[in-house]
Amino acid sequence: DVKVTQSSRYLVKRTGEKVFLECVQDMDHENMFWYRQDPGLGLRLIYFSYDVKMKEKGDIPEGYSVSREKKERFSLILESASTNQTSMYLCASSFTGVRNQPQHFGDGTRLSIL
Amino acid sequence: GENVEQHPSTLSVQEGDSAVIKCTYSDSASNYFPWYKQELGKRPQLIIDIRSNVGEKKDQRIAVTLNKTAKHFSLHITETQPEDSAVYFCAAPRRALTFGSGTRLQVQP
Repeated sequence: DVKVTQSSRYLVKRTGEKVFLECVQDMDHENMFWYRQDPGLGLRLIYFSYDVKMKEKGDIPEGYSVSREKKERFSLILESASTNQTSMYLCASSFTGVRNQPQHFGDGTRLSIL
Repeated sequence: GENVEQHPSTLSVQEGDSAVIKCTYSDSASNYFPWYKQELGKRPQLIIDIRSNVGEKKDQRIAVTLNKTAKHFSLHITETQPEDSAVYFCAAPRRALTFGSGTRLQVQP
């Protein structure tokens, strides 16, 4: 069974801090994704990666960056956290084909920026 | 703009009734359409998916239908049970999978 592990379930940070959210998958998947989930807005794609050191902007990349130094790990970075980045963040991974393969999600990180 | 539109946003049914959730997409090249269920406090989980070479797929009480001409696909849940209560998301490919805004289904016992 695919396991996608996010490093924290809950995280509280202050405005202006640099925040790192970590995600690890154990199925040798090529693709990894970061979403944020807000009520009424569904899952919005922030960034995705289809290979090590490769990254693509999603629909809402502003204020975020990502890092994929190893195949199994995909990090989301909030360069200077702001209160409007308070949200649930979900990581996902999939086998080859970013457009047409099922995604497997982690449990999410609920991030609060004070 | 909105590439995947999902309706309704909330749906309340009596136990044993059927529930239908509909999504429309804009990219005519889309060829993969999954549905996810997210229970309260849990991760989204894939419940059924369909590829564009078929028009319908069933798995016990759930089914998905696809109308490529009209660019819409629907999730059908028959004989609903309280444990079907959750938020359901559709998705369709753009550069990567794009998700709908979700439907909160409540099944009243």
